[in-house]
Amino acid sequence: ETGVTQSPTHLIKTRGQQVTLRCSSQSGHNTVSWYQQALGQGPQFIFQYYREEENGRGNFPPRFSGLQFPNYSSELNVNALELDDSALYLCASSPSQGGFEQYFGPGTRLTVT
Amino acid sequence: RKEVEQDPGPFNVPEGATVAFNCTYSNSASQSFFWYRQDCRKEPKLLMSVYSSGNEDGRFTAQLNRASQYISLLIRDSKLSDSATYLCVVNDPGTYKYIFGTGTRLKVLA
Repeated sequence: ETGVTQSPTHLIKTRGQQVTLRCSSQSGHNTVSWYQQALGQGPQFIFQYYREEENGRGNFPPRFSGLQFPNYSSELNVNALELDDSALYLCASSPSQGGFEQYFGPGTRLTVT
Repeated sequence: RKEVEQDPGPFNVPEGATVAFNCTYSNSASQSFFWYRQDCRKEPKLLMSVYSSGNEDGRFTAQLNRASQYISLLIRDSKLSDSATYLCVVNDPGTYKYIFGTGTRLKVLA
């Protein structure tokens, strides 16, 4: 196991609602990235946090936002949920920014109805 | 052109066969490359990093061809347990983005 944990495991929300997903990084890792994976697709990079600062962002609208805490755990917040937000949300931790190997948590499966 | 491209497959091979996947990338400045394995409805698991000199881990060999901008994964003596989707990942050094391919499905048949 990677030591990366995510909660909750599954979540069902209604369109327009807001959701917060949580991730605890592997011990010794200060960098967390978030991904969205739709069925049959590869993970899409949402953003990366390094030492509590966002230092990279993919093509996602501002209603996707995040935080990283001093213990390097992280949250992903999604506002105004849309049906297309239904996906597996993955968190990955790495020892630092800059192209290191990433280790994934088990993911949160979000369904928006 | 997509930033990272993979043949989606599926590749159906008999046990014991050798199979190879390629993955092309568009950013010539990319420095870090990885192969991940993903089982159905599970998280991706790191299979191996890809180094300029190539690297091997048991039955798995990864190669990088910078001139042609592709990485490859070779699996020898395929096992039933190798059935999975194989994802290639390229790190964009300018933006810290990790860009995944769509994955190549492998099914090893008894």
